[in-house]
Amino acid sequence: GAGVSQTPSNKVTEKGKYVELRCDPISGHTALYWYRQSLGQGPEFLIYFQGTGAADDSGLPNDRFFAVRPEGSVSTLKIQRTERGDSAVYLCASSKHSGGRYNEQFFGPGTRLTVL
Amino acid sequence: GIQVEQSPPDLILQEGANSTLRCNFSDSVNNLQWFHQNPWGQLINLFYIPSGTKQNGRLSATTVATERYSLLYISSSQTTDSGVYFCAVYSGGSNYKLTFGKGTLLTVNP
Repeated sequence: GAGVSQTPSNKVTEKGKYVELRCDPISGHTALYWYRQSLGQGPEFLIYFQGTGAADDSGLPNDRFFAVRPEGSVSTLKIQRTERGDSAVYLCASSKHSGGRYNEQFFGPGTRLTVL
Repeated sequence: GIQVEQSPPDLILQEGANSTLRCNFSDSVNNLQWFHQNPWGQLINLFYIPSGTKQNGRLSATTVATERYSLLYISSSQTTDSGVYFCAVYSGGSNYKLTFGKGTLLTVNP
């Protein structure tokens, strides 16, 4: 079956602009995660959705970052007033319903964001 | 929070050689995954291994949770094995987040 998909694969924007990054999880996966990967580092957690609600957004760096998942499937990560330090690869992952225990996470190909 | 350390940071091999990558973590973990990030940036799932040993072809992994480490073995390496190998742990909590190490960059030369 299809894996996690993310669009766009690359996004170049100017400082101060608004961007939206999209994630389409594996069909049937109710848990969805966003991570951010800077050059030479491992991915870092941003936010976790179980269904439609953001169950944990403790990894979002500041209030310029926001994510939604209105119908419990596709998610959009939104970044306002972008800064050069936001440049990174943004990764989305999904897993089966947590049901009180950990389930294997599967990652999408990422969106490479460059803020000029 | 939990710390995840991977070693070595870089490894260069000749095709056909074997290698062992190590992942140490600072606290108890509920689960652990190994990934291969290919040159295009895609994270590929290798093992989902909270404890014990698993094998998949030329790759195998062992996690000794009580001693807070995991090992990834690559035998008869191929050039397509090149890339970054990440260990990631879930240490508990209702967000089920993974904490990643910095990875091991593996280069396999022909």
